[in-house]
Amino acid sequence: EADIYQTPRYLVIGTGKKITLECSQTMGHDKMYWYQQDPGMELHLIHYSYGVNSTEKGDLSSESTVSRIRTEHFPLTLESARPSHTSQYLCASSDNVDPYEQYFGPGTRLTVT
Amino acid sequence: KQEVTQIPAALSVPEGENLVLNCSFTDSAIYNLQWFRQDPGKGLTSLLLIQSSQREQTSGRLNASLDKSSGRSTLYIAASQPGDSATYLCAVGNTPLVFGKGTRLSVIA
Repeated sequence: EADIYQTPRYLVIGTGKKITLECSQTMGHDKMYWYQQDPGMELHLIHYSYGVNSTEKGDLSSESTVSRIRTEHFPLTLESARPSHTSQYLCASSDNVDPYEQYFGPGTRLTVT
Repeated sequence: KQEVTQIPAALSVPEGENLVLNCSFTDSAIYNLQWFRQDPGKGLTSLLLIQSSQREQTSGRLNASLDKSSGRSTLYIAASQPGDSATYLCAVGNTPLVFGKGTRLSVIA
């Protein structure tokens, strides 16, 4: 059973606001990921981390930033939200040992008006 | 660069039918392959994981196979039910995982 949490689950916010999407896991996983997914569309990896103080950009260019100060916590921040940021954001983490199974959180649905 | 393709993109079947979803990948240097299920507006749920040394995994009515040499995996669903309606995603274990675009399955009662 995977324990990975995301808050908020739903967020409606105005253009120009700064927002932080929270992701936490209690499994001690070193590797964590953020994906962006528009409705009915494919997943896009936007950020990942292989441990504390390690962050990398993913395949899809994103205006968001991430930090990894604690193993269990991997927040994503948008400094100035725009309507183009409207999407679902999914957080995931994976086991430290073989077979490196990956688990997903429930997602945050963001709407920027 | 690893590429993952899922065929078909969408599938509609009557309840009770057995069905096969296909996944192909271009680079056989993978350490695992995972099949996920996604319901509309939800996160992904892991269904089956096949390690690179394995050929198949089974869970209930689901069976997934892996042929690394040919770059293929299949997900077999037996006796489909309306509750199986969802999008099924294949992901190959490079680091990070590389996902296909998914197969959208509708099981009609």
